[in-house]
Amino acid sequence: DIRLTQSPSSLSASIGDRVTLTCRTNQSIATYLNWYQHRPGKAPKLLIYTASSLHTGVPSRFSGSGSGTDFTLTISGLQPEDFATYYCQQSFITPQTLTFGGGTKVEVK
Amino acid sequence: EVDLVESGGGLVQPGGSLRLSCAASRFTFKNYWMNWVRQAPGKGLEWVANINQAGGEKYYVDSVKGRFTISRDNAKNSLYLQMSSLRAEDTAIYYCARASMMDYFDYWGQGTLVTVSS
Repeated sequence: DIRLTQSPSSLSASIGDRVTLTCRTNQSIATYLNWYQHRPGKAPKLLIYTASSLHTGVPSRFSGSGSGTDFTLTISGLQPEDFATYYCQQSFITPQTLTFGGGTKVEVK
Repeated sequence: EVDLVESGGGLVQPGGSLRLSCAASRFTFKNYWMNWVRQAPGKGLEWVANINQAGGEKYYVDSVKGRFTISRDNAKNSLYLQMSSLRAEDTAIYYCARASMMDYFDYWGQGTLVTVSS
């Protein structure tokens, strides 16, 4: 099974900060890694697919990088609406298992 | 824009059954794999099940195998999740999500809450 480990589990940041979230997998998944934002009471939203491609309508302050087992999501210039939980998800072994990481909660400092 | 609307959640006793529905619109439903993803209270997202375009290929997370059944009706643009032998640990918000060609979830519904409690 592919396991995804996100770090940190939570972080505190201020408006305008640059924040970097990490997702590591226990085996190589090439660039089959996706990132989602989830605000309480809202539907999760796709941000980044295949490690670095920005989904339609997502602001350019979000960016993704990585390949193999190490991936990052960067938010350049945190905005009030960015305080949320972020999840990575692998799409390397599909369709029979589509696992998520445990999430990183971005909170207001 | 793509619209997915879940319904059918509610309070059910342990061992009971419930059927969730997801109404899809503004895209060609029959062309996409569809998924159910859940979030238990205080926990992260967990993929539950998916189904291919024609409904003949289905997969489940181990914890629901033999208890949950995913299905679809392409004529009605609808996705379903029949849940039986429900347990307290099935308590969660259940989301319907469309899968892209590359198996990422590009659109999600708002979710429906299932509470399993006596």
